[in-house]
Amino acid sequence: QQQVKQSPQSLIVQKGGISIINCAYENTAFDYFPWYQQFPGKGPALLIAIRPDVSEKKEGRFTISFNKSAKQFSLHIMDSQPGDSATYFCAAKNSGGYQKVTFGTGTKLQVIP
Amino acid sequence: KAGVTQTPRYLIKTRGQQVTLSCSPISGHRSVSWYQQTPGQGLQFLFEYFSETQRNKGNFPGRFSGRQFSNSRSEMNVSTLELGDSALYLCASSLAGQVQETQYFGPGTRLLVL
Repeated sequence: QQQVKQSPQSLIVQKGGISIINCAYENTAFDYFPWYQQFPGKGPALLIAIRPDVSEKKEGRFTISFNKSAKQFSLHIMDSQPGDSATYFCAAKNSGGYQKVTFGTGTKLQVIP
Repeated sequence: KAGVTQTPRYLIKTRGQQVTLSCSPISGHRSVSWYQQTPGQGLQFLFEYFSETQRNKGNFPGRFSGRQFSNSRSEMNVSTLELGDSALYLCASSLAGQVQETQYFGPGTRLLVL
């Protein structure tokens, strides 16, 4: 059962542009929403995370926007660079689940020069 | 500090065999989780261990099992392998396994079942 829906499946952005990835969840018990970045041959790495009582969180060029009522959240990558080319996963956790992470299906981002 | 290490990195098995994968967490980390990654199903949670106890389990058949040792190293075992078990198996560790702690992933073990 897919509890976190992610779109688009793939994304091509020009260098300097904004990359936007969207996610939606169903389970209202989720209370922590991390984003992961995965390069080929590597495991996922935490990029940025947000709690549902915060509507936006920014770290460098990466921003998460969170809409609790709509149960949607998104990742914006500003000034996208070729080095950002990777697969991005949104995810969700709930306090009772400890480190059980429910992942979205992933978005393969390609930033072209 | 050394990262999460997984051995072996690659493995080829045939249907019906069993396999054991190993994970060494970051030093001091007591929580170890396992995930299966496939092109079709994406990343799916298998189980989490903390202080040698399984405290969470995903939706996988009983053929998938794991354990954690007193030094926090963990192993997962898959018995009676099926073609569909071909996947990248990822291990992740965190300090105490609390929700907002960062999980650090290893590079994975790629299993091919023929």
